[in-house]
Amino acid sequence: NAGVTQTPKFRILKIGQSMTLQCTQDMNHNYMYWYRQDPGMGLKLIYYSVGAGITDKGEVPNGYNVSRSTTEDFPLRLELAAPSQTSVYFCASSASAARNEKLFFGSGTQLSVL
Amino acid sequence: SQELEQSPQSLIVQEGKNLTINCTSSKTLYGLYWYKQKYGEGLIFLMMLQKGGEEKSHEKITAKLDEKKQQSSLHITASQPSHAGIYLCGARPDYGQNFVFGPGTRLSVLP
Repeated sequence: NAGVTQTPKFRILKIGQSMTLQCTQDMNHNYMYWYRQDPGMGLKLIYYSVGAGITDKGEVPNGYNVSRSTTEDFPLRLELAAPSQTSVYFCASSASAARNEKLFFGSGTQLSVL
Repeated sequence: SQELEQSPQSLIVQEGKNLTINCTSSKTLYGLYWYKQKYGEGLIFLMMLQKGGEEKSHEKITAKLDEKKQQSSLHITASQPSHAGIYLCGARPDYGQNFVFGPGTRLSVLP
């Protein structure tokens, strides 16, 4: 019953450091997403992927990179961390992009950049 | 592009009280999802509504999609501290398009 697994749960970075947020799903979903959540702002899409080897930008991609070498894994890379990247990050997946296809979410990563 | 607004932004109620959260879309909704988020946890799927006039219930939570399909409401009866969290509505505007989410409603239930 793993679903979508994210690591780490919490992380503190110094300005300019880099890190990778890990996301893996065991449901064989083609679609995977990275969101960030800022207080009172809902969820903003950073990057998404429609299958292994295919990724695309969402609303707020600047400062981030992704890769999708396998169906299961969709890591998010932060290069040169900035205070504006302090947020809660969620990975999600879905089987397809149909209107009635819900998203499954990971438990989130709380990131602080100081 | 489709936008979702939620009201109220936050809500504090006494345990046992009923409450309603609204989600309004700038365009016709063809599927509306409600999620709940507890601190330190991911978003938990509550329910999905597809048809105008549709109503679904799970335990003490009832969600409706209005006939004109541009608004949904989430009603909690006899609230409990376990209902506390952030409620988000979400929708996929069309096939192949990415989800959009409302800003969320933060609910606190006082014992």
